[in-house]
Amino acid sequence: DAGVTQSPTHLIKTRGQQVTLRCSPKSGHDTVSWYQQALGQGPQFIFQYYEEEERQRGNFPDRFSGHQFPNYSSELNVNALLLGDSALYLCASSFRDPNDEQFFGPGTRLTVL
Amino acid sequence: AQSVTQLGSHVSVSEGALVLLRCNYSSSVPPYLFWYVQYPNQGLQLLLKYTSAATLVKGINGFEAEFKKSETSFHLTKPSAHMSDAAEYFCAVNLGGGNTPLVFGKGTRLSVIA
Repeated sequence: DAGVTQSPTHLIKTRGQQVTLRCSPKSGHDTVSWYQQALGQGPQFIFQYYEEEERQRGNFPDRFSGHQFPNYSSELNVNALLLGDSALYLCASSFRDPNDEQFFGPGTRLTVL
Repeated sequence: AQSVTQLGSHVSVSEGALVLLRCNYSSSVPPYLFWYVQYPNQGLQLLLKYTSAATLVKGINGFEAEFKKSETSFHLTKPSAHMSDAAEYFCAVNLGGGNTPLVFGKGTRLSVIA
């Protein structure tokens, strides 16, 4: 079992550009959540996808959008990048079970110049 | 709304000494509580979780935590620190399991001195 995988590992963009980050969940998991971790901070919830729909959303602007595919993998898109979007983006997968835990991937480090 | 406060952004202990990382939570309903560890340039790994069963929870790598409702605390302890325990530790809370967002504290960086 490969666990949660994310790509790319690192990414450098300039202000105003758009970026797409990808996540493959742990085998069998059907729910994907995305978190943003700014330097020196704890992760903050962006949104969650289940059955190819956004189910819950944190306090992030509409520039942040996502998608879930039939194989449960997911993408995070960020438009009109700002310097403040520089962060580690973490993907977590899980079952929709109250007793289950969320398994995290290694993250994608995004730097906006 | 839920929140987590981790007291101390940096804790330093000697190898072999007790590790104590503090976490206090706020939740309007019975919470699920978690401790995660993050090594440099890596994602988060679950150390242990409290899901309303036993109040003393044992995790991986010799760590344990005790849920104290009266103190709204979930402190993480380890009797004897190892050099390999040096990492960032995050306390988190949610309303239950895989389908509710985790709310994280700001983290505590643990340094272990030889």
